[in-house]
Amino acid sequence: SQTIHQWPATLVQPVGSPLSLECTVEGTSNPNLYWYRQAAGRGLQLLFYSVGIGQISSEVPQNLSASRPQDRQFILSSKKLLLSDSGFYLCAWGPLNTEAFFGQGTRLTVV
Amino acid sequence: GQQVMQIPQYQHVQEGEDFTTYCNSSTTLSNIQWYKQRPGGHPVFLIQLVKSGEVKKQKRLTFQFGEAKKNSSLHITATQTTDVGTYFCAGNTGNQFYFGTGTSLTVIP
Repeated sequence: SQTIHQWPATLVQPVGSPLSLECTVEGTSNPNLYWYRQAAGRGLQLLFYSVGIGQISSEVPQNLSASRPQDRQFILSSKKLLLSDSGFYLCAWGPLNTEAFFGQGTRLTVV
Repeated sequence: GQQVMQIPQYQHVQEGEDFTTYCNSSTTLSNIQWYKQRPGGHPVFLIQLVKSGEVKKQKRLTFQFGEAKKNSSLHITATQTTDVGTYFCAGNTGNQFYFGTGTSLTVIP
């Protein structure tokens, strides 16, 4: 069966520090992968999605970047975190036209 | 760009009352999905609707997809405290899942 792993679960980082969140999927190949951010009490904002290795589409201009170095690995990064980057980050995968499966999420607090 | 709006943003109900959340898309959708996110958790898939005018039921939950495939609703009959959480719709177009803004449901015992 397919599983999705996301880590770390929580992270506290100072302003200006770098960020790397990792997401891996097991049990499937060539998945569509997604990064979402959820601000406190708000909806899910699509940040990036990828349909294959090295293929990244960005939905909103921001301080973050994403990479897909392997088929089942999706990484969210930042060179210098801002206070506004705080939030709940969710990785998800989903074949076209079916449900999205979410990781457990990373709660990032930038201080 | 693609937008999926949900109303209301928040809803407080007494246990036993009904609850409805509405989802509207700016464009026609291939399908629509509903997710539930418990406080502190991640969204979990509930159901997918594909056909125009489709209605599906899961126990006390009724899901509808509009005739034009641009709107949807989730209705919960006789809410229970276990229904607490945020309900999201997600419109599927091409390779993206566009999530609605969510409706946070509080059930007062």
